[in-house]
Amino acid sequence: GEDVEQSLFLSVREGDSSVINCTYTDSSSTYLYWYKQEPGAGLQLLTYIFSNMDMKQDQRLTVLLNKKDKHLSLRIADTQTGDSAIYFCAESPPGTYKYIFGTGTRLKVLA
Amino acid sequence: EAGVAQSPRYKIIEKRQSVAFWCNPISGHATLYWYQQILGQGPKLLIQFQNNGVVDDSQLPKDRFSAERLKGVDSTLKIQPAKLEDSAVYLCASSPNSNQPQHFGDGTRLSIL
Repeated sequence: GEDVEQSLFLSVREGDSSVINCTYTDSSSTYLYWYKQEPGAGLQLLTYIFSNMDMKQDQRLTVLLNKKDKHLSLRIADTQTGDSAIYFCAESPPGTYKYIFGTGTRLKVLA
Repeated sequence: EAGVAQSPRYKIIEKRQSVAFWCNPISGHATLYWYQQILGQGPKLLIQFQNNGVVDDSQLPKDRFSAERLKGVDSTLKIQPAKLEDSAVYLCASSPNSNQPQHFGDGTRLSIL
């Protein structure tokens, strides 16, 4: 497909793990990013992974990259109510430094 | 470190009017981006500057949109005349250079009546 695809909604209970999935378009993309957007705010960079890595862990966040399937995931451990937001993945195709964003996944954390 | 500053936060205008947005990037960041984010969608790049030069404006509707970064620091984005479909959040982002992660401002929410 030509679009970066994400599921629209995810609902989890506080304390559970959340897994947000993304399918990107260009297997040669150099970097892949995860951003968080809270209501009325801009995008906050959470983490990013270089294309030669399979996994990156940063505190409660784990990013998994499957280049063969062009699949990226973000796992949030011990999800808190403050994690409720929209999460965007983005790819940066080779030869360009522009970002192509997905449509975003709205995460709702239930207390 | 101060983040990317944008103003105004909100703007309401009637169609066919003009509007301008302002962005002050993080100090020392050479690359500046303007994105349009329509409700329910991800941001889409309008224009990218490297210092005061345009790197990519292929997605900028040049018949009505213009942008400048004359001194390689602050930038303005203008729409003239506005159409109903321009209702969106306009986000500014900056990065130290074009191959480094982008940092976003809080955006300007534009409503066209």
